Amino acid sequence: QLLLQESGPGLVKPSETLSLKCGVSGASVSTSSYYWGWIRQSPGKGLEWIASVFYSGRASYNPSLKSRVTISVDISANQFSLNVNSVTVADTAVYYCARLCTGGSCYTGPGTWGQGTLVTVS
Amino acid sequence: EIVLTQSPGILSLSAGERATLSCRASQSVSDNYLAWYQQKPGQAPRLLIYGASNRAPGIPDRFSGSGSETDFTLTINRLEPGDFAVYFCQQYGSSPGLSFGPGTKVDIK
Repeated sequence: QLLLQESGPGLVKPSETLSLKCGVSGASVSTSSYYWGWIRQSPGKGLEWIASVFYSGRASYNPSLKSRVTISVDISANQFSLNVNSVTVADTAVYYCARLCTGGSCYTGPGTWGQGTLVTVS
Repeated sequence: EIVLTQSPGILSLSAGERATLSCRASQSVSDNYLAWYQQKPGQAPRLLIYGASNRAPGIPDRFSGSGSETDFTLTINRLEPGDFAVYFCQQYGSSPGLSFGPGTKVDIK
């Protein structure tokens, strides 16, 4: 069974860097059938895709966040990571990591999410 | 980027009634890769429908999805107390990018 677990500090100071990791069990991040990504939800707001990364390291970013965000994959640790630099209070949100479908894997659904972790910028 | 619009913003209904939620895309969603999620306070979104009309495992048949290209609908028959929540649509046809609708809140009338 696929499990995704976010980890990282729950509190970050303004102007600093937010760093999160997503540990993956029950599947390998080195698969070519899925992307690995991050989605966030600010309090009382909607959902926002942040970034996705392929096992090869090829990354895609939401244009609105691209200048401040880096996503990476660590095959040896079977995990992937997100860094958001120069954070402001507007980056306060629940951050979800997810396995996201691509190509044929999308026939069975968009993917699987972790339970999410709240990060507060203050 | 595909922009999703949901209507109405709030839907006030009673238990036992039918809810009809709309999701409109700014351009055609590739392969009808459109999903619906339910979210309750303090919880992660729960996948209900994928591929516009396929129920996710464990989802009761009171939930159904329909539509294609740019217009999609989620129908919830015989609303139960646990169905009062926020519902989001998501397109995943432009992988690896995703986009989400702003949500429709179904609340108790």
